[in-house]
Amino acid sequence: DAGVIQSPRHEVTEMGQEVTLRCKPISGHDYLFWYRQTMMRGLELLIYFNNNVPIDDSGMPEDRFSAKMPNASFSTLKIQPSEPRDSAVYFCASSLRQDYGYTFGSGTRLTVV
Amino acid sequence: AQTVTQSQPEMSVQEAETVTLSCTYDTSESDYYLFWYKQPPSRQMILVIRQEAYKQQNATENRFSVNFQKAAKSFSLKISDSQLGDAAMYFCAYRSATSSHSNYQLIWGAGTKLIIKP
Repeated sequence: DAGVIQSPRHEVTEMGQEVTLRCKPISGHDYLFWYRQTMMRGLELLIYFNNNVPIDDSGMPEDRFSAKMPNASFSTLKIQPSEPRDSAVYFCASSLRQDYGYTFGSGTRLTVV
Repeated sequence: AQTVTQSQPEMSVQEAETVTLSCTYDTSESDYYLFWYKQPPSRQMILVIRQEAYKQQNATENRFSVNFQKAAKSFSLKISDSQLGDAAMYFCAYRSATSSHSNYQLIWGAGTKLIIKP
């Protein structure tokens, strides 16, 4: 298996633009998580899905953030409009069993200028 | 609510020596899982080792081992024969074993930066 695949690896965008981050989980994993990592706040859970259904989105910072999982093999995290404070590394992770932890993607480094 | 504490923001060790990273957690549950993740400069989060709370035997993965003290709620990571490639941020994490959607979240420590001196 290729692992959790995220794209793009780097994204630089101007303030006010829409940004879409993509994630392909490991086949067969039924949980998908979106995290944000910054130096100031560390790892923050934004939202997670079970069987494509959002379970908890309480970590989504505001309405500018939205996430979808239209099928078991694809998820997106969208920021519209983007702001400089959204600059961070965004990770996607998937999980099958509770005792096996998560498998992370390589992350997307987002820079909003 | 569960919490995870890593009290060492940074540790350094001489190459080939042994280092121990500390992690404590707070929970009222009796069944749970504990993990150590490594994040090297490449930023990829990599699972290093995991421990089931119901197992008394400490988990071991090659040069990595844990000292799991359930009563003390302590879960330290020992790295033997440290190598330059071990330099990374190390995160301790907790996950409940209770089967509910909310328990699929990992509770994270703040991380410990490990520096390997050549």
